[in-house]
Amino acid sequence: DVKVTQSSRYLVKRTGEKVFLECVQDMDHENMFWYRQDPGLGLRLIYFSYDVKMKEKGDIPEGYSVSREKKERFSLILESASTNQTSMYLCASSSGGPNSGANVLTFGAGSRLTVL
Amino acid sequence: QKEVEQNSGPLSVPEGAIASLNCTYSDRVSQSFFWYRQYSGKSPELIMSIYSNGDKEDGRFTAQLNKASQYVSLLIRDSQPSDSATYLCAVKRGGYSTLTFGKGTMLLVSP
Repeated sequence: DVKVTQSSRYLVKRTGEKVFLECVQDMDHENMFWYRQDPGLGLRLIYFSYDVKMKEKGDIPEGYSVSREKKERFSLILESASTNQTSMYLCASSSGGPNSGANVLTFGAGSRLTVL
Repeated sequence: QKEVEQNSGPLSVPEGAIASLNCTYSDRVSQSFFWYRQYSGKSPELIMSIYSNGDKEDGRFTAQLNKASQYVSLLIRDSQPSDSATYLCAVKRGGYSTLTFGKGTMLLVSP
């Protein structure tokens, strides 16, 4: 009954590596989001997408990029991983247009990334 | 700058008591309000949403919204040890906007 699937639960990468985090949802949702969650800082929005091939910067986009080639898939890319990107990364999706008041998020299980 | 403030806790209550979790927000045009529960090591899950002033009840949970005071709360009646988790308040403006999350309040319910 998994609806938002993140491809990797745990990753360990080295500084400077290119990192891909994949997220797939099977609910036909229009909207997809990438957050990172750190102790004491809460959930912070990195990027989001309201439609295929569309992307918008969130609150902390620096050092990240995204790709949404298909409606169900939203990828987060760390072009050159750094130690300060060690974090829990959460993907989420929601239905409705971007001005929908509902926007109930369904989260994936998360990907814990450690950059050495 | 949009801000959502929560007491980080932990809030400790005995089993069977009422737990009261509070949240204030700075953006006056916020229209939608959500409470998510996050167990340790797990991802957040929605437990309540509220859009109008007043109370909204769902089982043991009651969400309360006061837009004039920019305040939203979550009451958990008959608290159970299984309610021990971090509760995240999230707020959304109207129009094209995204959710802003508070940092969460940790709730501990002791048997």
